[in-house]
Amino acid sequence: AQKITQTQPGMFVQEKEAVTLDCTYDTSDQSYGLFWYKQPSSGEMIFLIYQGSYDEQNATEGRYSLNFQKARKSANLVISASQLGDSAMYFCAMKVVVGGQFYFGTGTSLTVIP
Amino acid sequence: DTGVSQDPRHKITKRGQNVTFRCDPISEHNRLYWYRQTLGQGPEFLTYFQNEAQLEKSRLLSDRFSAERPKGSFSTLEIQRTEQGDSAMYLCASSLGGQGSNQPQHFGDGTRLSIL
Repeated sequence: AQKITQTQPGMFVQEKEAVTLDCTYDTSDQSYGLFWYKQPSSGEMIFLIYQGSYDEQNATEGRYSLNFQKARKSANLVISASQLGDSAMYFCAMKVVVGGQFYFGTGTSLTVIP
Repeated sequence: DTGVSQDPRHKITKRGQNVTFRCDPISEHNRLYWYRQTLGQGPEFLTYFQNEAQLEKSRLLSDRFSAERPKGSFSTLEIQRTEQGDSAMYLCASSLGGQGSNQPQHFGDGTRLSIL
């Protein structure tokens, strides 16, 4: 069975600072993908970044980077130079390649302080 | 670029009534997903389609829930004999999918269901 764990229910960060949101996962499959989504208070889920299990380099998308440590089964999201608009819920998700279902964690609420 | 569209945005109904939600995915996406999300939780998988075929259905989904995607385009999710516990946000997402695919999902804005 697949499982995603996000242990930080809430995080605070000062504007312009970097922040790391933790995500660990559990799967017996060798081929899988890891995703991060942002959900502002308005409710829409916004795709941020993707990391494949065979990707040798950590994924980056603008101010977002994914710190992928395969042996530890962790896929932490790093947001650099935080902005007030980054305040939102952040969800980590996983999908095994053979299969269609996505598994989501319980999320981390990020608040950026001016 | 048209994203995933869900209708209605909000639905208020009395317990015991049937409700139906519609989702229009991104046109070139062949996979369509339904999720339920309650306050403070992540999206909970309900079911997904590849084209018109329903490939997976959550064991959590009771017989009161049914989903269709008759022509492989839009989808409907019906809840019969609604209960208080059905109050939630119902999210639809679509993606490009196929054997060995790991494309990200794109979500609609959701339908918020409130049971009186």
